[in-house]
Amino acid sequence: AQKVTQAQTEISVVEKEDVTLDCVYETRDTTYYLFWYKQPPSGELVFLIRRNSFDEQNEISGRYSWNFQKSTSSFNFTITASQVVDSAVYFCALMDSNYQLIWGAGTKLIIKP
Amino acid sequence: DAGITQSPRHKVTETGTPVTLRCHQTENHRYMYWYRQDPGHGLRLIHYSYGVKDTDKGEVSDGYSVSRSKTEDFLLTLESATSSQTSVYFCAISESDGSKTDTQYFGPGTRLTVL
Repeated sequence: AQKVTQAQTEISVVEKEDVTLDCVYETRDTTYYLFWYKQPPSGELVFLIRRNSFDEQNEISGRYSWNFQKSTSSFNFTITASQVVDSAVYFCALMDSNYQLIWGAGTKLIIKP
Repeated sequence: DAGITQSPRHKVTETGTPVTLRCHQTENHRYMYWYRQDPGHGLRLIHYSYGVKDTDKGEVSDGYSVSRSKTEDFLLTLESATSSQTSVYFCAISESDGSKTDTQYFGPGTRLTVL
């Protein structure tokens, strides 16, 4: 079965700390896609990154970085030098062989000033 | 930002009444989706469309129907709303090359309360 697990329900850190959000997935497919989305308190869903299963290179975008490891079926997200504006719920999602997005339950990130 | 609007943004209705939510896009994208989001869950797919008059069911389609008579509009209908359908509904569209694996971009959401 396809499944995405975000074990951290809520994380709270002080501003400027680094924080890592974990995402573990299960799939039997050899080709698949992984995504991260951000949902700030205003409620919209913002696309952050898409990664296909053949590209295991880590990605960095400003303060954001992603670590994709097929060996452990993980696609973790790190925010460096966190800011209050990073406070949001972050979702990891897997696109399955039926082209449907399977979502994790989300991790609520609270950045305290 | 993808040009996606949803209407209404908020709605309160009573059990047993019909409700229609509208998703409108200005991007001419082929794929459109309806999801619901409930506390403690990620999003769950209700229905999706891969072209005008072409739709298919998602994971939680019972109690919902959809229609797509124009590329830009995708309607979600609750024929007889129930309290279990109280949720936030999101519409999404896929990028223009029409691949099913494309990134999905989301509308602002509709908060529906069924009393």
